[in-house]
Amino acid sequence: SQKIEQNSEALNIQEGKTATLTCNYTNYSPAYLQWYRQDPGRGPVFLLLIRENEKEKRKERLKVTFDTTLKQSLFHITASQPADSATYLCALPSYSSASKIIFGSGTRLSIRP
Amino acid sequence: AAGVIQSPRHLIKEKRETATLKCYPIPRHDTVYWYQQGPGQDPQFLISFYEKMQSDKGSIPDRFSAQQFSDYHSELNMSSLELGDSALYFCASSLTPALNTGELFFGEGSRLTVL
Repeated sequence: SQKIEQNSEALNIQEGKTATLTCNYTNYSPAYLQWYRQDPGRGPVFLLLIRENEKEKRKERLKVTFDTTLKQSLFHITASQPADSATYLCALPSYSSASKIIFGSGTRLSIRP
Repeated sequence: AAGVIQSPRHLIKEKRETATLKCYPIPRHDTVYWYQQGPGQDPQFLISFYEKMQSDKGSIPDRFSAQQFSDYHSELNMSSLELGDSALYFCASSLTPALNTGELFFGEGSRLTVL
């Protein structure tokens, strides 16, 4: 069955450093992959999308890579700031239906000053 | 810009009671999704609707039902509530998934507590 895995442990990064989060998936070849940010008690907020034919996507301090051979996406935040502290979720469309977006378990990121 | 509106934001119910959550999608969005998120868990897909028809079903208990109305708002009905139903329930909307990349816009969620 389709499976999405993210770093289960929290990631603690010094302010100014680059944070790198990993999303691995199995048993599927998605047409695209999305990343969301979620703050405690709030709804996820869409950040970036990368398609299967794209290797890399950038948006301000964010960069996403997509390796369809490794079945992995990396999410980078450069020049990290305490305000970047949140849980980051990767999401894929279900192999069975485009109207079913499946989320990974998320990685909690903490940026310390 | 208009966002996804959910109500109520907080709801406290007793076991075996019934609860109804409402969701108003972003105008012109034709697809609505419901997710359940327990403490420390990822959002679990429950059900989705496209143009007022159920389009997909996930791990939604038989005690739950949902529908999308002619004005595109959606309601999630939960009956015979159990303690384990306590969670944040998110509604999200998007434009037609088959025609775009399925970016979801989430509401602020409805927190259900079952005592």
